[in-house]
Amino acid sequence: EVQLVESGGGLVQPGGSLRLSCSASGFTFSSYAMHWVRQAPGKGLEYVSAISSNGGSTYYADSVKGRFTISRDNSKNTLSLQMSSLRAEDTAVYYCVKDQALTGYFDYWGQGTLVTVSS
Amino acid sequence: QSALTQPPSASGSPGQSVTISCTGTSSDVGGYNYVSWYQQHPGKVPKVMIYEVNKRPSGVPDRFSGSKSGNTASLTVSGLQAEDEADYYCSSYAGSNTVVFGGGTKLTVL
Repeated sequence: EVQLVESGGGLVQPGGSLRLSCSASGFTFSSYAMHWVRQAPGKGLEYVSAISSNGGSTYYADSVKGRFTISRDNSKNTLSLQMSSLRAEDTAVYYCVKDQALTGYFDYWGQGTLVTVSS
Repeated sequence: QSALTQPPSASGSPGQSVTISCTGTSSDVGGYNYVSWYQQHPGKVPKVMIYEVNKRPSGVPDRFSGSKSGNTASLTVSGLQAEDEADYYCSSYAGSNTVVFGGGTKLTVL
């Protein structure tokens, strides 16, 4: 059974940093691109970041470019998102998402972890 | 990286059909046959209902179907049921491992 379990969310002050992790199991983690997608309270889905299966390629939405860093450790089946210079508008549930076919087909989603940026 | 355009709401009575549109550009929807649709019930995780324009994952009822014409994709739900009431999001591959989402459509079953 595929499982994606996020951790690391919480309350952080504006300008602060936070590191999200996603522990993956039930599939060959190193074979799939992975993504982070977020959803602000009461709002729609927003694509945040992507990383290729071997970690060699990364992508960031303009809204987080230069502030967020995505990484993965295929030996530990772990996906990470280092977030810095956090803003109130970064407040959201962050989902770890598996990409089935490099076509944006997100077949499995984690339960999400809530990040709240507030003073 | 502009969001795809979806109507904010749609509705239909039980048993009826409803179609939700998703409009993008030639750089996303029109450029690739990689449109997906996600269903999200309140407080729940999104679930993929359609991928690659018109393919259904195992377990998704065949009442759900997808299509695309030019820069606009569509999701049709036939034989509406109460449990279909949810938010629906389209997404499209936009090149270089990137994806763009639509703003979401709240489907109400009257």
